[in-house]
Amino acid sequence: GQNIDQPTEMTATEGAIVQINCTYQTSGFNGLFWYQQHAGEAPTFLSYNVLDGLEEKGRFSSFLSRSKGYSYLLLKELQMKDSASYLCAVRDIATDKLIFGTGTRLQVFP
Amino acid sequence: GAGVSQSPSNKVTEKGKDVELRCDPISGHTALYWYRQSLGQGLEFLIYFQGNSAPDKSGLPSDRFSAERTGGSVSTLTIQRTQQEDSAVYLCASSGVGALHFGNGTRLTVT
Repeated sequence: GQNIDQPTEMTATEGAIVQINCTYQTSGFNGLFWYQQHAGEAPTFLSYNVLDGLEEKGRFSSFLSRSKGYSYLLLKELQMKDSASYLCAVRDIATDKLIFGTGTRLQVFP
Repeated sequence: GAGVSQSPSNKVTEKGKDVELRCDPISGHTALYWYRQSLGQGLEFLIYFQGNSAPDKSGLPSDRFSAERTGGSVSTLTIQRTQQEDSAVYLCASSGVGALHFGNGTRLTVT
């Protein structure tokens, strides 16, 4: 089975940096995804990590440590539009199923 | 098509009625997923298709829920004898070898 944990809520200030952590337990790991979801909208893909290390994509970066079952999403130069839920998801190697955590609701204040 | 298309976008139904939700995935995507999201909650996995077969139906909440996929393309999720707790947004996603791409969902309200 799989278990994914991430904080329920976080707050940050415009222009700051925020790190959203995700820990997971899975019987067979085949990649970790981060999605962004604004209220009332569908999730949109942000990043994908399958090997250890940091993946950078503009203001967003994602890190993975497979041995620790740990990932984080780093958001730099926060903007008001970054207020959203951020979903961590793990793909199981045996079933190819993608299981989502409950998401971290980020609020950015001016 | 350009993206995953779901219909209807909104559905209001009376308790006890059957509903059918449709998902048209991105052309060429072999994998198709159905998730359910209640207000303020995370994504609950329902079922996953690889081609026309469903290797994992473990997420279907009860035997009132069923899904099929034909021609490796369009999928329908059917909920029989709807209950108020079925009210949620039903999201469909498809993928090739990479990330899942989501449709805008069907918001189901059971009155």
